[in-house]
Order: sequence, then C-alpha cells, then structure tokens
Amino acid sequence: DAGVIQSPRHEVTEMGQEVTLRCKPISGHDYLFWYRQTMMRGLELLIYFNNNVPIDDSGMPEDRFSAKMPNASFSTLKIQPSEPRDSAVYFCASSKGGGPGELFFGEGSRLTVL
Amino acid sequence: AQSVTQPDIHITVSEGASLELRCNYSYGATPYLFWYVQSPGQGLQLLLKYFSGDTLVQGIKGFEAEFKRSQSSFNLRKPSVHWSDAAEYFCAVVPTSGTYKYIFGTGTRLKVLA
Repeated sequence: DAGVIQSPRHEVTEMGQEVTLRCKPISGHDYLFWYRQTMMRGLELLIYFNNNVPIDDSGMPEDRFSAKMPNASFSTLKIQPSEPRDSAVYFCASSKGGGPGELFFGEGSRLTVL
Repeated sequence: AQSVTQPDIHITVSEGASLELRCNYSYGATPYLFWYVQSPGQGLQLLLKYFSGDTLVQGIKGFEAEFKRSQSSFNLRKPSVHWSDAAEYFCAVVPTSGTYKYIFGTGTRLKVLA
C-alpha cells in the first residue's frame, strides 16, 4: 500500500509568490496533519483535519497560510504571499482514528523562499 | 504550559554501546507517549508508543522505552547501538483530553562512531 504522498519534494520560489503544497493521505485514514520543521523551532503542528474538516488550526502562523481538504484523498497547504521566513520542510501525516495512534509521515516538501 | 523536553540536542556513542535518550513531559495527566525516528531527508517513523499498562514497551529495531510517572519521563533505550541507528529521534505526546494534537520534542541527533 502506498504511503503518504507529498508534492513537490522541493520548491524554490521568490518572495511574494504563491506556494501550494499537496498531500495524498493513506487510503482509509481519517486524520490528516500538516507540520512545519525548522532548525530553530523544530516540528510545529500547523493544522489537522478529521474527516476533511479542520479541527485545530491554532498553529497556522498567520493569514498568509491556508489549508484545505476537499476530499478524503487530497489536501493542500497554500502560502500567499510567501516570505523568506517560510523556508522550511513541510510534512503531511495521516492516521486512522479511534484513539491517538501512529502518524504516517510523507517525505516532506522542502520550501526555499528567496 | 504543556511541553515536551528532550534535554540532549546531540549524543554520540560508539557502535555496540548502550544508548539512552531522555524525554520529559509536562502535562496534568499521563498523555499518550511516542518515540519517532527521522533519517536524513525522510519523514518520521514510529519506533514505539505507550498508552497504558506495562510501563516498559518494546518497539521496532530493538528499541524499548520506560514510562516513569513519578518522573514524568519516557526515556528511549537500546542495549547495543548499530551504525544504522544514526538519525534524529523525537519524543511526542498527545494529551488525553480528546484532542489529537501531537506535540513533538525538539529532537536528539544521534551520531554513531565505528
């Protein structure tokens, strides 16, 4: 069975541009998480969904960040406009409900904003 | 404030030596506890988890962890380290309050000397 799939793996863009990161969770998983990893702040939870509904977005840095989950097999994280401080590795993870269980992580999207 | 602390940023051990990575949490009740490992350029992979019951839990790759309520600790151990264990290790907690908000520690980077 395929794991969590993220795209793109690497993105280099200029300040002010819109960035869209994509995630396909594992089939049958009803929770989806977006994390950001930086050297300074470690792994930060940005937002998580349950059955496509955002449950907690308190970690989203500011209005420039938005996340959607239009269906059970697809989610996006959008940054508009992007800034150099958004440079990080963004991870998507999914899990199956019924109690906090294992998070299955994608390989991450490395974003560099020049 | 609720927190997860991994006091050691870097640890270096010789191959074949024993290993202990420390994790302390600050929550009102015993949370769900996890250890994950991250190899360079990869997402995180679950090593083991503790929900309740036996306080010594076994995981993959020969790792084990012990939950000590009195010390609010969940330290990871391995009797004999292999060169392939070089990676970054993250402790994570989920409060037992109906949330699925996984909170990660800052990580411990393990270096293994041949």
